Amino acid sequence: GDSVTQMEGPVTLSEEAFLTINCTYTATGYPSLFWYVQYPGEGLQLLLKATKADDKGSNKGFEATYRKETTSFHLEKGSVQVSDSAVYFCALSEPGGFKTIFGAGTRLFVKA
Amino acid sequence: DTAVSQTPKYLVTQMGNDKSIKCEQNLGHDTMYWYKQDSKKFLKIMFSYNNKELIINETVPNRFSPKSPDKAHLNLHINSLELGDSAVYFCASSLGTSNNEQFFGPGTRLTVL
Repeated sequence: GDSVTQMEGPVTLSEEAFLTINCTYTATGYPSLFWYVQYPGEGLQLLLKATKADDKGSNKGFEATYRKETTSFHLEKGSVQVSDSAVYFCALSEPGGFKTIFGAGTRLFVKA
Repeated sequence: DTAVSQTPKYLVTQMGNDKSIKCEQNLGHDTMYWYKQDSKKFLKIMFSYNNKELIINETVPNRFSPKSPDKAHLNLHINSLELGDSAVYFCASSLGTSNNEQFFGPGTRLTVL
């Protein structure tokens, strides 16, 4: 079945450092890929998405590119802020489906 | 205005009790979901409803019974609560399929003693 694997955390960075959180997936079809973010004590919210190969999703300085050849959707940000501290989830959903598969989440701590 | 709301936010109860969690969305979405998040933050789909019809039931014990009285509401009733049911439960909604953005509620932290 479909699955999502993302790097284990926690990831601890200093403010203004470069961030990469790796995500790879296994899917039978051509899924849509997502990054969701969960701030402490809150529900998840969509950060960015991509629906087909080579699409780049971007939002709030974060970017991720849908790479079909490597089945990856790595999240990057050039300069993190303390306010980016949160748990980040990579996820996929098959076209026409009603089920989203989430990775295990990666906790990010950013120090001032 | 709150997009997806859940009540209660916290629920502490004894093993064996029956409890309900309510969810409402005011986004006009036609699909609603229940997720369970364990203590390690792992998030797993439990149920998906589209236009009040059950679409996905992810091998959840039948002690869990979702009910959707209309497209804006999806409630979760849990019978005979067990220690392992302790978790944070999230309701979410989307327009159409899960390929579209899901909007999550703030979560209900259930603690079974």
